[in-house]
Amino acid sequence: NAGVTQTPKFRILKIGQSMTLQCTQDMNHNYMYWYRQDPGMGLKLIYYSVGAGITDKGEVPNGYNVSRSTTEDFPLRLELAAPSQTSVYFCASSYSTNSPLHFGNGTRLTVT
Amino acid sequence: DQQVKQNSPSLSVQEGRISILNCDYTNSMFDYFLWYKKYPAEGPTFLISISSIKDKNEDGRFTVFLNKSAKHLSLHIVPSQPGDSAVYFCAASDPGNYGQNFVFGPGTRLSVLP
Repeated sequence: NAGVTQTPKFRILKIGQSMTLQCTQDMNHNYMYWYRQDPGMGLKLIYYSVGAGITDKGEVPNGYNVSRSTTEDFPLRLELAAPSQTSVYFCASSYSTNSPLHFGNGTRLTVT
Repeated sequence: DQQVKQNSPSLSVQEGRISILNCDYTNSMFDYFLWYKKYPAEGPTFLISISSIKDKNEDGRFTVFLNKSAKHLSLHIVPSQPGDSAVYFCAASDPGNYGQNFVFGPGTRLSVLP
């Protein structure tokens, strides 16, 4: 039982490049989330999904896109990387809206 | 405007003593509160939670206290151990904000000194 798995662990992008951050969970959770964490700040919600085929914007969605074609996978897409997207990205899942989140180990992204 | 605040960025405590981490919130609709612990290069892991219908919840060395009138919660760790050194995040849940209802504080870095 791997929980929530994120790849890659680290990535350096040039401005304007695109990439997809992968997230998969094996707990059969319907709820999945993408957060970013900037230094000295709490985690900010980017996008979330309440089930396969359903996604919605969180607090800071600009510059990102998501899809949820299966229960297990919730990839996050950056189309035109900008320095402001330098951050640590965490994917999480939960059984319900009021149960604890299970987090992956994060992807550290640097855009230069 | 931060809805969940942790005003102490860092805290140092001697091994064996009590660690008290504090968290304040502004949204009176929050009804479920959680503490997460985070080691470097890992994701946050769930530690303990409390519902607004309670004022205390214990799990081993960890106790969370909730004061709804003051909109304040605290995490007590007794006795503190060096392995407790980590960043602790307070989070709050608004049941009316369907699907995106976890709001996180900025975290407090706890150092437990041997």
